[in-house]
Amino acid sequence: QSVLTQPPSVSGAAGQRVTISCTGGSSNIGAGYDVHWYQQLPGTAPKVLIYGHTNRPSGVPDRFSGSTSGTSASLAITGLQAEDEADYYCQSYDRSLSGSRVFGGGTKLTVL
Amino acid sequence: QVQLQESGPGLVKPSETLSLTCTVSGGSITSYYWSWIRQPPGKGLEYIGYVYTSGPTNYNPSLKSRVTVSLDTSKNQFSLKLSSVTAADTAVYYCAGSKLGIPYWYFDLWGRGTLVSVNS
Repeated sequence: QSVLTQPPSVSGAAGQRVTISCTGGSSNIGAGYDVHWYQQLPGTAPKVLIYGHTNRPSGVPDRFSGSTSGTSASLAITGLQAEDEADYYCQSYDRSLSGSRVFGGGTKLTVL
Repeated sequence: QVQLQESGPGLVKPSETLSLTCTVSGGSITSYYWSWIRQPPGKGLEYIGYVYTSGPTNYNPSLKSRVTVSLDTSKNQFSLKLSSVTAADTAVYYCAGSKLGIPYWYFDLWGRGTLVSVNS
């Protein structure tokens, strides 16, 4: 059971907007620790999509955006494309786990 | 362009020690925190631990009693040892790097991953 909770799956039609939630608690997201998002395409290693809640590395399209409120974070993807079909993971820091980094359980995005 | 490559046995017997090495090329091993992350087949990511040149290691509390992560700067490598393995330790093991000296601690470098199966 992951410290950060994500929905197992989300779906949306090509061109639409979807959001993926990441719910934590007072020892991680709620304590103000950074949230990062990773995209994992089938058969490949994860790559960072959003860091520090809202920042995109160079090369990541502005269709991807992150936000945080209270003990939760969200990843929004607009203008869905077939190539966005992948697994998405949130990640943060948890002060109750001896400084351990923690991941969400992952969300499978299906583009209809 | 810093690149990471995992290496080590793909099959380990139950109760034995899993040992993996990650070779860093194209950059300085002293410029990053170096981590191990694993992913059981069909499941999510699990942080294992990290090491860096100027401070103590950090381990996932659920694995701490069995894990050692160490650094060999002379070889530009870092390694993972996980003792007393069981079938539950079967996973793809990734090495990853997080840049030192920036405001955000995230995994911006990843190896391709290596599958380790625990089976007699």
